[in-house]
Amino acid sequence: EDKVVQSPLSLVVHEGDTVTLNCSYEVTNFRSLLWYKQEKKAPTFLFMLTSSGIEKKSGRLSSILDKKELFSILNITATQTGDSAIYLCAVGRKGGKLIFGQGTELSVKP
Amino acid sequence: KAGVTQTPRYLIKTRGQQVTLSCSPISGHRSVSWYQQTPGQGLQFLFEYFSETQRNKGNFPGRFSGRQFSNSRSEMNVSTLELGDSALYLCASSLEVFTGELFFGEGSRLTVL
Repeated sequence: EDKVVQSPLSLVVHEGDTVTLNCSYEVTNFRSLLWYKQEKKAPTFLFMLTSSGIEKKSGRLSSILDKKELFSILNITATQTGDSAIYLCAVGRKGGKLIFGQGTELSVKP
Repeated sequence: KAGVTQTPRYLIKTRGQQVTLSCSPISGHRSVSWYQQTPGQGLQFLFEYFSETQRNKGNFPGRFSGRQFSNSRSEMNVSTLELGDSALYLCASSLEVFTGELFFGEGSRLTVL
């Protein structure tokens, strides 16, 4: 059965800290791995990764994929209170189905 | 450019009733997918529609159904509601059948009493 597992499930840090969120997967017909941020309601897109070893970066956020070991990490440096959210990892299968992990709830304290 | 619009935003039903949720995708987007989000299970894929055809279906019972209209708007229906159907139902649209970036609506919060 296809599965996507995120860790930790929740995390509390202080502003300025660096965090690493993990996502491992066992999915047949892998196509891509995606990260989303969900603050109050609608998840918003962060990154899509399809190739191993190529880092994607956007401001203080970065992500990388390892297709051999079947995992991805999302790094957030110099965290701010506005980074508090649920971070969702999803794996897209060929044919269109997206499988989501449980999410990591990040809380950044001032 | 308007985002994904879902209606209603909140609704309360009782067991045994049925419910219809609506989703209007971003203009020009032809693919619409539906997800159920609950605290225990996270986001679970329900189904995906493209050009009025269901392209993928998740592991949900037949009480969950959907359709897409020629203008790409989509509806999902849940019949014979159960307490466990209480959830946030999210709709997402994309230009084509899943190409990567999904644009989510704010969801319809269903409570079943």
